[in-house]
Amino acid sequence: DTEVTQTPKHLVMGMTNKKSLKCEQHMGHRAMYWYKQKAKKPPELMFVYSYEKLSINESVPSRFSPECPNSSLLNLHLHALQPEDSALYLCASSPTAGVNQPQHFGDGTRLSIL
Amino acid sequence: GESVGLHLPTLSVQEGDNSIINCAYSNSASDYFIWYKQESGKGPQFIIDIRSNMDKRQGQRVTVLLNKTVKHLSLQIAATQPGDSAVYFCAEKEDTGFQKLVFGTGTRLLVSP
Repeated sequence: DTEVTQTPKHLVMGMTNKKSLKCEQHMGHRAMYWYKQKAKKPPELMFVYSYEKLSINESVPSRFSPECPNSSLLNLHLHALQPEDSALYLCASSPTAGVNQPQHFGDGTRLSIL
Repeated sequence: GESVGLHLPTLSVQEGDNSIINCAYSNSASDYFIWYKQESGKGPQFIIDIRSNMDKRQGQRVTVLLNKTVKHLSLQIAATQPGDSAVYFCAEKEDTGFQKLVFGTGTRLLVSP
């Protein structure tokens, strides 16, 4: 079982809906990440949080809004998404963001935009 | 831009064989590399990592080799088992001060009994 928990596992939403993806880890990690993965493609980095502060935004459209309320939680708020945003959204964490340590991934939320 | 890529999209092996999955990277400034295994419906699972000051690292049934001269990374799996069937990604860390991982395109490993 993964130590990074993502909810929900599946989400179907319309283009006008507002929803949120949640990620939780209790490993004491201080860096957390959001990735987007399309079918048969590698994960692509979206956001990096280090000590609850946004450190990297990979030019992600503003319809994706990340939030890190505390060191264990990471949210991704979704609004007015497009069909091309349908993908697997992965959360990851690592002890810190600045040293060479592996990131640990959750099993993702599979998002479908109608 | 810089990229990490794999030469073979699918590798088919027999159970018990040794498997070798290759990865080419282009950013000579990358200092850390990771191999992940991703099974259907799951997130990437850490297998093994290697820092750029090393050329070989061994784990349980797996070995990673790093050749910085030709910017090549490989994952060797000994005595491959059906449970090893998955997509394998290499990833490199860009030297940005934060752990920004760039993933390769992936190789699907199919292990037949």
